[in-house]
Amino acid sequence: DAGVTQSPTHLIKTRGQQVTLRCSPKSGHDTVSWYQQALGQGPQFIFQYYEEEERQRGNFPDRFSGHQFPNYSSELNVNALLLGDSALYLCASRTPDSSYEQYFGPGTRLTVT
Amino acid sequence: QKEVEQNSGPLSVPEGAIASLNCTYSDRVSQSFFWYRQYSGKSPELIMSIYSNGDKEDGRFTAQLNKASQYVSLLIRDSQPSDSATYLCAVIYNFNKFYFGSGTKLNVKP
Repeated sequence: DAGVTQSPTHLIKTRGQQVTLRCSPKSGHDTVSWYQQALGQGPQFIFQYYEEEERQRGNFPDRFSGHQFPNYSSELNVNALLLGDSALYLCASRTPDSSYEQYFGPGTRLTVT
Repeated sequence: QKEVEQNSGPLSVPEGAIASLNCTYSDRVSQSFFWYRQYSGKSPELIMSIYSNGDKEDGRFTAQLNKASQYVSLLIRDSQPSDSATYLCAVIYNFNKFYFGSGTKLNVKP
């Protein structure tokens, strides 16, 4: 049973560019959340998708947007990249039950130069 | 502002000892609590979830929750060098938003 997968593993972009990160949830999971983790910090919640709609959003600017597809996979888009966007971007998925347990993918390391 | 507080450490314990990791949270409404382990350069891995007051044991791990004191802890018995990692406490607010602490770095010395 494949776990949560993310692509790409690493990415280097220049300030002002746009980036798209991709996530496939664990089999049987229908809810996907995205997190940003800066070095030495805990993950910061960006947003959550369920039934192809954004259900919750953290304190991130509109430059951060997302999408969920009918097969539950998801994309995170970041426009007008800033140096401060350099971080590990994590995708997590969970089941529709009430446990709220979520499982993380390996992450995408984004470096903005 | 919802907050989850953890001592950043590092917490150093000898092999075979009990490691005690602590976490406090700010919102009394929170109902679900989680401990994740994160090795350097890797993504967080779920260790334990706890939803009601008291203790929950899973192998060498015990999670403890005290909602009145807004406090959750993780005990690791018979600590091993392979337990050396950063441990993240996570709390759910508003049913869907996970808030993480900044993590406690644990070093288990052989």
